[in-house]
Amino acid sequence: SQTIHQWPATLVQPVGSPLSLECTVEGTSNPNLYWYRQAAGRGLQLLFYSVGIGQISSEVPQNLSASRPQDRQFILSSKKLLLSDSGFYLCAWSQGTGGSGANVLTFGAGSRLTVL
Amino acid sequence: AQSVAQPEDQVNVAEGNPLTVKCTYSVSGNPYLFWYVQYPNRGLQFLLKYITGDNLVKGSYGFEAEFNKSQTSFHLKKPSALVSDSALYFCAVKDTGGFKTIFGAGTRLFVKA
Repeated sequence: SQTIHQWPATLVQPVGSPLSLECTVEGTSNPNLYWYRQAAGRGLQLLFYSVGIGQISSEVPQNLSASRPQDRQFILSSKKLLLSDSGFYLCAWSQGTGGSGANVLTFGAGSRLTVL
Repeated sequence: AQSVAQPEDQVNVAEGNPLTVKCTYSVSGNPYLFWYVQYPNRGLQFLLKYITGDNLVKGSYGFEAEFNKSQTSFHLKKPSALVSDSALYFCAVKDTGGFKTIFGAGTRLFVKA
């Protein structure tokens, strides 16, 4: 069966420090991978998605970047955190069918980032 | 570009009563529509989806949703609410030709015993 792991679960970082959140998927190959941010326990904002190694699509220009160094690994990074980067970050995957489709997203447990 | 609106921030219902959580969508082509649920400090869990065919879709935990193309709506329903249904519910839409799933702002459901 497929599983998704996301870490760290909780992170407190000072303003201006770097960030690295990691997400890995097991039990599948060539998944579509996604990073969402949830602010104040409400709506989800799509940040990045990837349909293959090294292929990253950015939805919102901001202080963050994403990378996919391996097929089932997706990393969210920042060189210098801002206060506004605080939030709950969710990684998700869906079946990569080589195109679009009504594929359900499976989410990780989330990483709560507090920037002080 | 696709978008989703959930007009209610919060829905309150008594246990045993029917519940409805509203959702309307906008998409350029034919939509794939989804409902997800989130419990505190957790990731989202899939409830149900509409692809094509029957307008009434049945999902997990006794939930169902009704697709209405003319009203561009996809309301979530349950005939008899449970206290354990209390959570944050998200409607989502995906264009059949794209990779992105876009979520609504969420509706918090409170079921009172």
